[in-house]
Amino acid sequence: QKEVEQDPGPLSVPEGAIVSLNCTYSNSAFQYFMWYRQYSRKGPELLMYTYSSGNKEDGRFTAQVDKSSKYISLFIRDSQPSDSATYLCASGGSNYKLTFGKGTLLTVNP
Amino acid sequence: DSGVTQTPKHLITATGQRVTLRCSPRSGDLSVYWYQQSLDQGLQFLIQYYNGEERAKGNILERFSAQQFPDLHSELNLSSLELGDSALYFCASSVGHRENYGYTFGSGTRLTVV
Repeated sequence: QKEVEQDPGPLSVPEGAIVSLNCTYSNSAFQYFMWYRQYSRKGPELLMYTYSSGNKEDGRFTAQVDKSSKYISLFIRDSQPSDSATYLCASGGSNYKLTFGKGTLLTVNP
Repeated sequence: DSGVTQTPKHLITATGQRVTLRCSPRSGDLSVYWYQQSLDQGLQFLIQYYNGEERAKGNILERFSAQQFPDLHSELNLSSLELGDSALYFCASSVGHRENYGYTFGSGTRLTVV
């Protein structure tokens, strides 16, 4: 079992839709949870960071972590064509390198 | 521009050859991480250097090696290349030696082994 599992999609939604992206992780020691966005032929860029359980909101983006179920979510409200990218979840801990999910390819259609 | 510079952007080479990928971290960052990204495996951690010292090793093959120089730039050396080594290689950097606040990635080097 990989330490971080992510549904690869692809996911295709119309503009304006609410998008839900999800990951699960297996290492109970993980404390840091992140979402990266990767445009085609570019490097991943940090989108959201969360420490331990809880929610974090930044504009149209909300990250949720439920440590009891080892579940990580990213919600995108009012999705835009510019949101079309691959989204990678990542988890890590004090003594653990960041472990990435394989990524979910999202396409937002105008 | 993320501040992490990787060269070259593209590399095409033959099996059995040796290549060197170069990375300059973001100004002020002391840690450099190397990742390999392929379609089937996703982002795989290879190795980390912190201020010139090897800090952690991941799934790095013995044919691969890396180092970080006094000016903090890093090089990843890939030798005896095989077709399966074709992938995107990313360098990332962070201020400290822990990943508490995530990494900043470069744009990657696309390696094609033919």
